[in-house]
Amino acid sequence: AQTVTQSQPEMSVQEAETVTLSCTYDTSESDYYLFWYKQPPSRQMILVIRQEAYKQQNATENRFSVNFQKAAKSFSLKISDSQLGDAAMYFCAYRTSNAGGTSYGKLTFGQGTILTVHP
Amino acid sequence: KAGVTQTPRYLIKTRGQQVTLSCSPISGHRSVSWYQQTPGQGLQFLFEYFSETQRNKGNFPGRFSGRQFSNSRSEMNVSTLELGDSALYLCASSLENRKGNEQFFGPGTRLTVL
Repeated sequence: AQTVTQSQPEMSVQEAETVTLSCTYDTSESDYYLFWYKQPPSRQMILVIRQEAYKQQNATENRFSVNFQKAAKSFSLKISDSQLGDAAMYFCAYRTSNAGGTSYGKLTFGQGTILTVHP
Repeated sequence: KAGVTQTPRYLIKTRGQQVTLSCSPISGHRSVSWYQQTPGQGLQFLFEYFSETQRNKGNFPGRFSGRQFSNSRSEMNVSTLELGDSALYLCASSLENRKGNEQFFGPGTRLTVL
């Protein structure tokens, strides 16, 4: 079974600075997807960024980028120019790309990292 | 395009009762997944429905069940409620095709069992 680990329960950053959130995962599969989701205090989960394991290029979405190290099974999220609105719980999630059976619709989440942004 | 909606947003029940939660996916999405979120266990997958069929189920007791209708709306039911069922229940919808398998989440239903 796949597992996702976020070793930083809490992180803080000053506004306009850069912060990196860590995520490691364990899988025996070679093809899969990785996601970062953001859950602000309002509780609506929002997709931040998506990475396909077969793509070597790291995904980027505006101020958000990832450092995907497949061999090390590491998937960190970098937030540049942090804003007050970035404050939230961030979840790393894994999803197999194999069709069928136990793969349908299932995201495996890490425990989350609470990010605080200081003005 | 409207996002995923869940009703009700808050619910208070007592032990032994049953509850039904509803989820309306994004228009065009045929897959709906349900998750339970608690401080202790985090986010755990309950089940997934696609075209009215349950295709996958997480490790939860049979008291947790669900269904999906022809318009892709989904309901989940919890019978004989226990205190430990208090949680935020999230549903997520997805296209589940080659164009995308990202899941888009609703705001959740906060269930409190007394």
